[in-house]
Amino acid sequence: EAQVTQNPRYLITVTGKKLTVTCSQNMNHEYMSWYRQDPGLGLRQIYYSMNVEVTDKGDVPEGYKVSRKEKRNFPLILESPSPNQTSLYFCASSLTGDRGHMETQYFGPGTRLLVL
Amino acid sequence: ILNVEQSPQSLHVQEGDSTNFTCSFPSSNFYALHWYRWETAKSPEALFVMTLNGDEKKKGRISATLNTKEGYSYLYIKGSQPEDSATYLCVLSWEDKIIFGKGTRLHILP
Repeated sequence: EAQVTQNPRYLITVTGKKLTVTCSQNMNHEYMSWYRQDPGLGLRQIYYSMNVEVTDKGDVPEGYKVSRKEKRNFPLILESPSPNQTSLYFCASSLTGDRGHMETQYFGPGTRLLVL
Repeated sequence: ILNVEQSPQSLHVQEGDSTNFTCSFPSSNFYALHWYRWETAKSPEALFVMTLNGDEKKKGRISATLNTKEGYSYLYIKGSQPEDSATYLCVLSWEDKIIFGKGTRLHILP
């Protein structure tokens, strides 16, 4: 089954304790992206990757890192989480069109993070 | 700053009625316009992607149109049903950029 998986789905942690949220897709998509969703703000892009070893900042990259060592995986790393990173996080992937734009994105189930 | 505007922000529709809402975007930056349906406690799911001016797409009772010259897209829902209650997201993509609208929250009243 074609899908995007994220782990963990729920996480409670404390300020400063490094964590990683994994994202994996089995559709051979070039493009992968991380978003956070906060009430009243909609979906905001954190980082994205157009292909292996190619990553770029989105709108709200501060406090986050990513890596794209393999096509299928795109982990989100919070080196020193803070309470303002409490949010709902979505990973997504898509093919890229012939003009380099994103085709339809497939979203993971979301990871709800609480930083105390 | 480029913006994708969706209106209305929220909408209450009686079950059985038809409805529509709007997505506006800068017509000078356009490769593809996407509509997603996002139910509460789930993740967004793709409805349509449109790339050409005049495109019309249909999926069951839901359809969408695109006008790239004036920078807008309409989403129509015919004969609303309770399962249509969701947030409908409009998303613009060009080159490696992507911009999400804030969505139209649709509530279907029994």
